[in-house]
Amino acid sequence: EVQLVESGGGLVQPGRSLRLSCTASGFTFGDYAMSWVRQAPGKGLEWVGFIRSKAYGGTTEYAASVKGRFTISRDDSKSIAYLQMNSLKTEDTAVYYCTRALYYYANGNYYFDYWGQGTLVTVSS
Amino acid sequence: DIQMTQSPSSLSASVGDRVTITCRASQGISNYLAWFQQKPGKAPKSLIYAASSLQSGVPSKFSGSGSGTDFTLTISSLQPEDFATYYCQQYNSYPWTFGQGTKVEIK
Repeated sequence: EVQLVESGGGLVQPGRSLRLSCTASGFTFGDYAMSWVRQAPGKGLEWVGFIRSKAYGGTTEYAASVKGRFTISRDDSKSIAYLQMNSLKTEDTAVYYCTRALYYYANGNYYFDYWGQGTLVTVSS
Repeated sequence: DIQMTQSPSSLSASVGDRVTITCRASQGISNYLAWFQQKPGKAPKSLIYAASSLQSGVPSKFSGSGSGTDFTLTISSLQPEDFATYYCQQYNSYPWTFGQGTKVEIK
């Protein structure tokens, strides 16, 4: 059974840093791309960023709202994806979800299948 | 960025009703569109990818259609467990973007 479990959320002051983890099980983690999606309280879904598998370079993509402040990385030996969040702002307050992204060979695009349960990040003084 | 616009933003329906939600992209995205269901306090669940392909384990009462800029999600016979918020998402180009959501409520 595929499982994604996020951790590391909590209350943090503006300008500080926080690192979220997404621990995967039930599949060969290194074969898959992973992504982060967030949801501010009472709002819709916002894509944060994405990391390809090592087979496709392990490269990353980010939303403009977090580019330069957030970094996604992965440790395939531990089956963990990370979201390092620096220079946090109050508008980063949200539930952060990690998702598995499937590679569609026919066109080279990725789409989500499994989601974690989310972890809440609150940025406030 | 590609803007995704869903309509309606909310709807009221009865058990057994056929429900259709529309998603429009601000530019053509071929069929690189997904649909998700989210219940209050829960994580989203993937329903459909490639505009019309059901994710594994998703019941066939859900169906999707469309290509280019206009897409629909249809629930053939609404059941109590289907009352939720539904989101579309394009993955044609970065940044991936979501619609604002459609809340399906009980009439």
